[in-house]
Amino acid sequence: DIQMTQSPPTLSASVGDRVTITCRASQSVVTWLAWYQQKPGKAPKLLIYKASALEDGVPSRFSGSGSGTEFTLTISSLQPDDFATYYCQQYHTGETFGQGTKLEIK
Amino acid sequence: EVQLVESGGVLVHPGGSLRLSCVASGFAFSRTAITWVRQAPGKGLEWVASISGSGGTIYYADSVKGRFAISRDNSKNTLYLQMSSLRAEDTAVYYCAKARRILPPGYFDFWGRGSLVTVSS
Repeated sequence: DIQMTQSPPTLSASVGDRVTITCRASQSVVTWLAWYQQKPGKAPKLLIYKASALEDGVPSRFSGSGSGTEFTLTISSLQPDDFATYYCQQYHTGETFGQGTKLEIK
Repeated sequence: EVQLVESGGVLVHPGGSLRLSCVASGFAFSRTAITWVRQAPGKGLEWVASISGSGGTIYYADSVKGRFAISRDNSKNTLYLQMSSLRAEDTAVYYCAKARRILPPGYFDFWGRGSLVTVSS
């Protein structure tokens, strides 16, 4: 099974900051990787698929990059609505999620 | 408008059984792979099972293999998860989520609101 490891588990930042979340796969997933945002009590929302493709309706301050085993999600200028938990998911072999990164207000 | 509405979550005793349903609308259900994902209280997302649009391809997580069964009725636009031999660690919100392709694996472009299953004596 492919394991997905996100870092950091928690990230404290301020409105306007640029933040980066990292996701590492235990073996290559090529670019078959997605990112989701989840707010408390709500279902996850798709942000990025195929490592770097922005889902329709998602603000352009979100971007994804990477290939193989290392990927990043970057938010260029944090907005109040962005404080949430973020998950990566590989879909190269089966479907596996990372453990999540909670983005908190500093 | 795409909709996924889960139901069937209740309090059940350890060792018990339960069937979750997910009714879909607003997209070509029979041409879409669908997945169950769960989230234990305060924890992250865990993939549970996936089924292809025709129902002919099915995958399970090791943690539920042999205890859970995913199925679908394309005439009713409904996905099911039959859960048996339930354990306390199966306590979670169960989400159904649609893929953007007919065969798994894939990413999930729309999720239901979830149904809470609590396994406790």
